[in-house]
Amino acid sequence: SQQGEEDPQALSIQEGENATMNCSYKTSINNLQWYRQNSGRGLVHLILIRSNEREKHSGRLRVTLDTSKKSSSLLITASRAADTASYFCATALNTGGFKTIFGAGTRLFVKA
Amino acid sequence: EAQVTQNPRYLITVTGKKLTVTCSQNMNHEYMSWYRQDPGLGLRQIYYSMNVEVTDKGDVPEGYKVSRKEKRNFPLILESPSPNQTSLYFCASSFTGAWNTEAFFGQGTRLTVV
Repeated sequence: SQQGEEDPQALSIQEGENATMNCSYKTSINNLQWYRQNSGRGLVHLILIRSNEREKHSGRLRVTLDTSKKSSSLLITASRAADTASYFCATALNTGGFKTIFGAGTRLFVKA
Repeated sequence: EAQVTQNPRYLITVTGKKLTVTCSQNMNHEYMSWYRQDPGLGLRQIYYSMNVEVTDKGDVPEGYKVSRKEKRNFPLILESPSPNQTSLYFCASSFTGAWNTEAFFGQGTRLTVV
């Protein structure tokens, strides 16, 4: 079963607007990561937030984490056409080893 | 350049013909992992390896094998491919398996089994 679930599944906005994507997960986590994927290509790491952090920034990205609600959000401010991609949250289950769980992703389309 | 290299990038094969997809990383990472990506399902983990000679099943291991004889290589083996294994496959590596460092992904292998 999928640990991470992104919402919305797809998002279409105008260039310059902000885009917010949400992720929910089911079990306790140590860290949560966000990745970006351009169509059919490999994933690229965006940001990691630890369970004891509530908010983290990286350039135009802002990630929040609410462990009480088991949810995280990714905000992209002042979006650009080049931000068009799929965005995934990912967590890991400590099962002795670390099984990683990715959500189904949010497809973001930024219109120029 | 730090990278994860998968080969081949594209592969069309027939049902039952054994194949291997190679994955190599040059970052001395301990953790390596294979995923498959299908429309609407995101990435699902097939197998992962915490270190040399240590492998474990992910969520969808049926029909796949892996080995980790050297730190840098983590091949994915399909002993008898079937059409339901048609998918986009990604290999990834990270410094540790505790999910506290970023993972680096290969460019993907698009496999079609007919």
